[in-house]
Amino acid sequence: EPEVTQTPSHQVTQMGQEVILRCVPISNHLYFYWYRQILGQKVEFLVSFYNNEISEKSEIFDDQFSVERPDGSNFTLKIRSTKLEDSAMYFCASTGGAFGLGEQYFGPGTRLTVT
Amino acid sequence: SQQGEEDPQALSIQEGENATMNCSYKTSINNLQWYRQNSGRGLVHLILIRSNEREKHSGRLRVTLDTSKKSSSLLITASRAADTASYFCATDGGKSSGDKLTFGTGTRLAVRP
Repeated sequence: EPEVTQTPSHQVTQMGQEVILRCVPISNHLYFYWYRQILGQKVEFLVSFYNNEISEKSEIFDDQFSVERPDGSNFTLKIRSTKLEDSAMYFCASTGGAFGLGEQYFGPGTRLTVT
Repeated sequence: SQQGEEDPQALSIQEGENATMNCSYKTSINNLQWYRQNSGRGLVHLILIRSNEREKHSGRLRVTLDTSKKSSSLLITASRAADTASYFCATDGGKSSGDKLTFGTGTRLAVRP
């Protein structure tokens, strides 16, 4: 069964460093998302991506964040200069369907720890 | 209350019993989805119910949706210890395509063997 994959599963970085989180969405899906979950809190939307551009972004997704689909399979989230408060689980998700109104499938997540 | 709030926050039941979790939301939706999350792990999609549906079944799961009350419930029948997890409802915002999901605070379910 197709699934969303994410790498790495755990990333430890120092404050101020750049990190790139990688995702491979389900192959025939067209809409891609990043969410995050700070420990013990709700899952929060960061950004959605369709047709090679950002569709929507949240207030969290400031200039330190960027997304890219560098090829036909990968979808990346870059944090330019990490802060302690960026420590969280980051989830990639994708959905297919003609209008993106179907199930959103999530990857297993990348746990980012900023020290 | 916020978009997508579940209650109860925590639920402890004996194996074999049924578990019911509720979710309320505030804005119009196209779909409501339920997810399971084991501690510190990923989100597993359980079921999607569309705004024009009232009830949906999948195995031991039964989901209802009442758009007039802006609420949904997830029933897990004949629970097992392996059902121990957090359960979240997630709603879209009613946009025509590719809409983001807003998650609730979740219900922590503990099933005692």
